[in-house]
Amino acid sequence: GQQVMQIPQYQHVQEGEDFTTYCNSSTTLSNIQWYKQRPGGHPVFLIQLVKSGEVKKQKRLTFQFGEAKKNSSLHITATQTTDVGTYFCAGSGGSNYKLTFGKGTLLTVNP
Amino acid sequence: DGGITQSPKYLFRKEGQNVTLSCEQNLNHDAMYWYRQDPGQGLRLIYYSQIVNDFQKGDIAEGYSVSREKKESFPLTVTSAQKNPTAFYLCASSIPFRDGYTFGSGTRLTVV
Repeated sequence: GQQVMQIPQYQHVQEGEDFTTYCNSSTTLSNIQWYKQRPGGHPVFLIQLVKSGEVKKQKRLTFQFGEAKKNSSLHITATQTTDVGTYFCAGSGGSNYKLTFGKGTLLTVNP
Repeated sequence: DGGITQSPKYLFRKEGQNVTLSCEQNLNHDAMYWYRQDPGQGLRLIYYSQIVNDFQKGDIAEGYSVSREKKESFPLTVTSAQKNPTAFYLCASSIPFRDGYTFGSGTRLTVV
């Protein structure tokens, strides 16, 4: 079945440093989504990427979808303490819209 | 405001007992999902439903059952056959192929 790998599992940064998490799928994806889960909370949808090579920005967050639609990345510029949480990527393939989630990257930020 | 409600937030049960987790949404979403989250394991799909009176097994359906009698409701029963039921359970809903999932706040089940 479809597998989605995400690295790193953990990342600790000083406030102001950049952060990147990477996502790789074993199969070609029709779309990829990114979610953020604050400690003790539930996942919250951030963005969906659909097109090959697509790049989207949300303030300090930049999301990319690979040309082959098998990998994606989330980059945060100049992290803040409010960025703390676990970032998940999730992909679906073909006509099946159910998502397969990566295991997430836990980001901690030292003020 | 539209949203998705899971209840209760915390649930304790004795081993061998079945327990039902509630999930209700008023977003008019067609699809609903149940995920299980364990530390370091991400989210694993238990069951999903695309329309009323229809549902499919996910990756870890053994020991669980669901029903979808109404569009708004998708309860999950954790049966005594589930070998390791203690976990954080998340319900979600969506309009297929549009935007992302909306998650409920989750139910933390502890079986002792």
